[in-house]
Amino acid sequence: DGGITQSPKYLFRKEGQNVTLSCEQNLNHDAMYWYRQDPGQGLRLIYYSQIVNDFQKGDIAEGYSVSREKKESFPLTVTSAQKNPTAFYLCASSIGAGPGNTIYFGEGSWLTVV
Amino acid sequence: QKEVEQNSGPLSVPEGAIASLNCTYSDRGSQSFFWYRQYSGKSPELIMFIYSNGDKEDGRFTAQLNKASQYVSLLIRDSQPSDSATYLCAVRYSGGYQKVTFGIGTKLQVIP
Repeated sequence: DGGITQSPKYLFRKEGQNVTLSCEQNLNHDAMYWYRQDPGQGLRLIYYSQIVNDFQKGDIAEGYSVSREKKESFPLTVTSAQKNPTAFYLCASSIGAGPGNTIYFGEGSWLTVV
Repeated sequence: QKEVEQNSGPLSVPEGAIASLNCTYSDRGSQSFFWYRQYSGKSPELIMFIYSNGDKEDGRFTAQLNKASQYVSLLIRDSQPSDSATYLCAVRYSGGYQKVTFGIGTKLQVIP
């Protein structure tokens, strides 16, 4: 089945640790995204990538890093510089970034700082 | 800052009634509009999208777009308890990279 796979579903991070969230899609989509969702807030864009080997900062990129070495993969690293990382992280993709392109989401990853 | 505004709710409707969810946006250049449903603890799933002024129907769902007034709405007919969820409005803006901005979502409760 085609879709977006995120792993792990639940992750605990100790203070000062970097952690990486995996995102893989087999939809042959060019564009991929990472969003963060906090209670009572909408989805906020962390990073996006329109093509392989290219990515751009979103609204809240500080403390995060990404790579896009393959079309199907867009991992997100939450670094120790991110002071409040506890949140629900959503990876998404779309065929392209044009006006008619719908964003589809993976199942999400819950990150908790312990 | 381009904004998408939604009332967080909760909006409570009795089973079988019509639920009306509203969303306003700030950028007149916005080109496409999406409604997602998100159950608690789950990821958003697309319900429908709309690009042109007017109504678009898909089963029990109708999206309405009024670009002059800068609002988009979602009507759910014959509401069911399984429709209880948070509904996210999303707007894709024009110009450069066509970023999608999401509202905070409206929580809908369908009372049996």
